[in-house]
Amino acid sequence: GNSVTQMEGPVTLSEEAFLTINCTYTATGYPSLFWYVQYPGEGLQLLLKATKADDKGSNKGFEATYRKETTSFHLEKGSVQVSDSAVYFCALTHAGNNRKLIWGLGTSLAVNP
Amino acid sequence: NAGVTQTPKFQVLKTGQSMTLQCAQDMNHEYMSWYRQDPGMGLRLIHYSVGAGITDQGEVPNGYNVSRSTTEDFPLRLLSAAPSQTSVYFCASSYSSDSYEQYFGPGTRLTVT
Repeated sequence: GNSVTQMEGPVTLSEEAFLTINCTYTATGYPSLFWYVQYPGEGLQLLLKATKADDKGSNKGFEATYRKETTSFHLEKGSVQVSDSAVYFCALTHAGNNRKLIWGLGTSLAVNP
Repeated sequence: NAGVTQTPKFQVLKTGQSMTLQCAQDMNHEYMSWYRQDPGMGLRLIHYSVGAGITDQGEVPNGYNVSRSTTEDFPLRLLSAAPSQTSVYFCASSYSSDSYEQYFGPGTRLTVT
């Protein structure tokens, strides 16, 4: 069946460090891939997305590339800020899944000044 | 647009009580869903709807009912609250698009004692 696996957290970084959060998936066909972010005490917000192989999603300095050959969608940012402290969720969906999102368990990121 | 709104933000119930969590969206989205978020469990789908008058069960539907009489509203009813239903509940909606990205409400934190 369809599934998403994220690296476990928590991840703790210093400000301006490089961030990678790994995400791999198992799915039939060609899913759409997403990263959502949840800031403390808030709901989830879409951070970025990619709908086909080799697409790169980007937003707020974050990037992720849809790699079908490795079934991965790793999230990266070159220089994190304290305000990036949040929980990050990788997810997938596709038409055959009736638009239901399949979620990773989330990775908590804490950025220290 | 207000986006996806949820009420109440916080609620405390006693075991056996019933209540309705409200969710509304003003984006004319066809698809709406309810999730619960628990530590270490990620997001789990409770119920979803692909349009007015149509609802279906997700992963964890027991103890919850939904209805979708209008496009805008998708209330979640707890029939007889149990401590196991202590959680944060999120409502989400999605337009019929290729990417199926979902928009989340701010959440309702429910405690059942």
